[in-house]
Amino acid sequence: GNSVTQMEGPVTLSEEAFLTINCTYTATGYPSLFWYVQYPGEGLQLLLKATKADDKGSNKGFEATYRKETTSFHLEKGSVQVSDSAVYFCALILSYGNNRLAFGKGNQVVVIP
Amino acid sequence: NAGVTQTPKFQVLKTGQSMTLQCAQDMNHEYMSWYRQDPGMGLRLIHYSVGAGITDQGEVPNGYNVSRSTTEDFPLRLLSAAPSQTSVYFCASSTGQGAYEQYFGPGTRLTVT
Repeated sequence: GNSVTQMEGPVTLSEEAFLTINCTYTATGYPSLFWYVQYPGEGLQLLLKATKADDKGSNKGFEATYRKETTSFHLEKGSVQVSDSAVYFCALILSYGNNRLAFGKGNQVVVIP
Repeated sequence: NAGVTQTPKFQVLKTGQSMTLQCAQDMNHEYMSWYRQDPGMGLRLIHYSVGAGITDQGEVPNGYNVSRSTTEDFPLRLLSAAPSQTSVYFCASSTGQGAYEQYFGPGTRLTVT
């Protein structure tokens, strides 16, 4: 079935460093893809999305491009801040009829001053 | 708007006890879902609803019941708690069909001893 896979393990980096979190998908067709972010002690919130192949989603300095050639939707930010410390989840829509999502396992990002 | 609210924030149960996790939204969203979040597992869908009176099972429904008597409320019932149900539970809502943003509540941290 349709699913997403995120790179293993937490990510620790210094302030102003470049961030990449890998996400690959397995799907029939080209379902919409999402990145959600979870700040400490909070629920998830939508960071960005792409609804078709070759689309680029962007928000708060983060970007991700829906690449059908490599079945990927990697999240990038050019210069991270301490406030970007959070858990990031890649997700794929399983059904447009009921908005069911399949989530990756998430990546903890820790930004050190 | 309060968005999606969940109560309680924390709960400790003994094995075999029952309880109801409350979820309410004030955005008039048709779609509501319950997820559980476990370390290294990401989010897994328990049950979902596409409107009042309509519910369906997600990925991990065993041990949980739901009902949707109103658009606003979507309670999750644990019938006989087990230690395997120790988790953080999130309720989410969204509007309509398609790649719409899901709005998450702040979560309920449940421990079953």
